[in-house]
Amino acid sequence: DAKTTQPNSMESNEEEPVHLPCNHSTISGTDYIHWYRQLPSQGPEYVIHGLTSNVNNRMASLAIAEDRKSSTLILHRATLRDAAVYYCILGKFSSGSARQLTFGSGTQLTVLP
Amino acid sequence: NAGVTQTPKFQVLKTGQSMTLQCAQDMNHEYMSWYRQDPGMGLRLIHYSVGAGITDQGEVPNGYNVSRSTTEDFPLRLLSAAPSQTSVYFCASSYSGKGTSYNEQFFGPGTRLTVL
Repeated sequence: DAKTTQPNSMESNEEEPVHLPCNHSTISGTDYIHWYRQLPSQGPEYVIHGLTSNVNNRMASLAIAEDRKSSTLILHRATLRDAAVYYCILGKFSSGSARQLTFGSGTQLTVLP
Repeated sequence: NAGVTQTPKFQVLKTGQSMTLQCAQDMNHEYMSWYRQDPGMGLRLIHYSVGAGITDQGEVPNGYNVSRSTTEDFPLRLLSAAPSQTSVYFCASSYSGKGTSYNEQFFGPGTRLTVL
């Protein structure tokens, strides 16, 4: 399975943008890039996903490199509530469902007031 | 909708005891799964189900059993608890939608299990 590499931790100031990087140099052509986050003492929650093109939703933006070997999750304006572990995950998109996600250790984001 | 619910929130077992972790969802999701999360690590898939009556093993299935008699419920049974099963257990569900629609997984709040 293709692996992802993320920094162990990052810090950001409140109300500033945050760019969370993810390297996935062995990504296959059918792998989607998924991002989930896990707030303290909670289950993970979906953030965003993409295949080749950059994606935006109400939570974040996902910028995907042209060669797809890296991607960046962008939080446009970090709040204290965004402090969490962010997981970059590669997975197939079979039968319309992103199943069997393989979580790494993620990036612990600290947001400073 | 209550989403994905898990009970109990906390549990302490002695080595060799058995117990069932409960998971239920009210979103009519076909796909359900169980993960465990050890301290400082990501989640690992234990078992999953693509619909009532159908289950399959994930990455770390040993020591656990599952069944899926209804769409709503997906219990996880520990047959003979061991200290190595001390972990936080998360249940998740999603649509197994056809076509090109993306269906993210919804996770429950977790059950913290300690095996002494």
